[in-house]
Formats: sequence, structure tokens, C-alpha cells
Amino acid sequence: DSGVTQTPKHLITATGQRVTLRCSPRSGDLSVYWYQQSLDQGLQFLIQYYNGEERAKGNILERFSAQQFPDLHSELNLSSLELGDSALYFCASSRTDRLSTGELFFGEGSRLTVL
Amino acid sequence: KNQVEQSPQSLIILEGKNCTLQCNYTVSPFSNLRWYKQDTGRGPVSLTIMTFSENTKSNGRYTATLDADTKQSSLHITASQLSDSASYICVVSSFSGGYNKLIFGAGTRLAVHP
Repeated sequence: DSGVTQTPKHLITATGQRVTLRCSPRSGDLSVYWYQQSLDQGLQFLIQYYNGEERAKGNILERFSAQQFPDLHSELNLSSLELGDSALYFCASSRTDRLSTGELFFGEGSRLTVL
Repeated sequence: KNQVEQSPQSLIILEGKNCTLQCNYTVSPFSNLRWYKQDTGRGPVSLTIMTFSENTKSNGRYTATLDADTKQSSLHITASQLSDSASYICVVSSFSGGYNKLIFGAGTRLAVHP
């Protein structure tokens, strides 16, 4: 158990809909990262938050947005869903925003299926 | 362009045998290199983290090597077990623009057969 909690574990929805994925980082971790992993693909970085502020942005679509709340949990909002958005969405957390040698701990992921 | 390439794409070995997975990267500036194990449908789990000055790092039956000159890394698995069946992901960290960017390889899918 990495200590990173993601909900829901599975989600099935229809095209055009909107969903929210939630992540609680490990106790004491200030940084949260979101990744997308499509079938048989590598992890694609979406976005990073550190202590409530956006720190870095990757290949995140404009239909997607995220935020980190004062209690450090984070939510990833996916809207106007398309079939191609079906993927595993991972949240990871770390103690700082530097990752120079720090560990990155991943949650178990939220599997999104868009029909 | 920053890239991390892993080989082979997939590998099948018999239980008890050793194997070596390769990772070549073209990432600059280099901060560190990580190996993760990802069971199917699960989150990646860290195996090793190596900085520029480290050549070898072990974690049980897993030994990672790093050659920063040739920009190559390998992950050696000794006396494989069925539970080693997973994807192994090489990740290179680059510190640029004030933050660390992680570049993920596509992974090597390992299957250990009895």
C-alpha cells in the first residue's frame, strides 16, 4: 500500500459526459501528480500541483482540469468525454516538488471507460 | 528531444532464470534514473533511484546499473519468480525550468513461466 488513495477505482460513462477523479496523497506529501495511461501505452504526465498551486503542466487537454485543495487532496475533472479518453488515470504524490532524489508514490489508479 | 527507450518490448523467461532489461535515454539535463515495477492494472512501484554518480543499486533480486557516459541503464533480475511477471518502466528525471520533469519509457513486459 503506497498510501496514495484514488477513487473511484472503476468508472463507466458515456461520451459527452463529465467525471471527477479524486486523489488523497500520502500523509505529509505536498505534491500531487496526475498521469494518464492508455491501453498498452506508457504513462503520460498531465499536471502537477504543489501545496495547492499548479507547478507543471504536461500533455493535458483543455477539456481536462485539476485542482489541489487546502487539505492537499486533488481532483481531476474530465469533461466532454470522448472514446479516446478511456484509460487508467494515476495519481502520485511526493514530499516536495523537486523529485531530485525523492520518492514518487503512485495510487492504484482509476480506470475510466467511455462508451 | 528528451526520450527514454526500453528494450526488449516484451520478454518471456522460465522461473528461476535471470534476465536483463535495457534502457537508453536522451535526456538533458539529467537528474536521476528510476526503475518501476507495474503489475497489470496496478500503480507503479519504485524499485531503484540512481543519481549521476551512482553506477549500481540493488533492491533484493533487482540490480540496476547506470552508465551516465553512454546514457544507458539496465535492470537485472536474478532467480526470477512468477511474481516478477509485470511491466518494468525506466523513468529519467530532468531538472529544468525550476522543476523536475519525469520522462517515462514505454516499459518492458516480462512474463515468468513455471
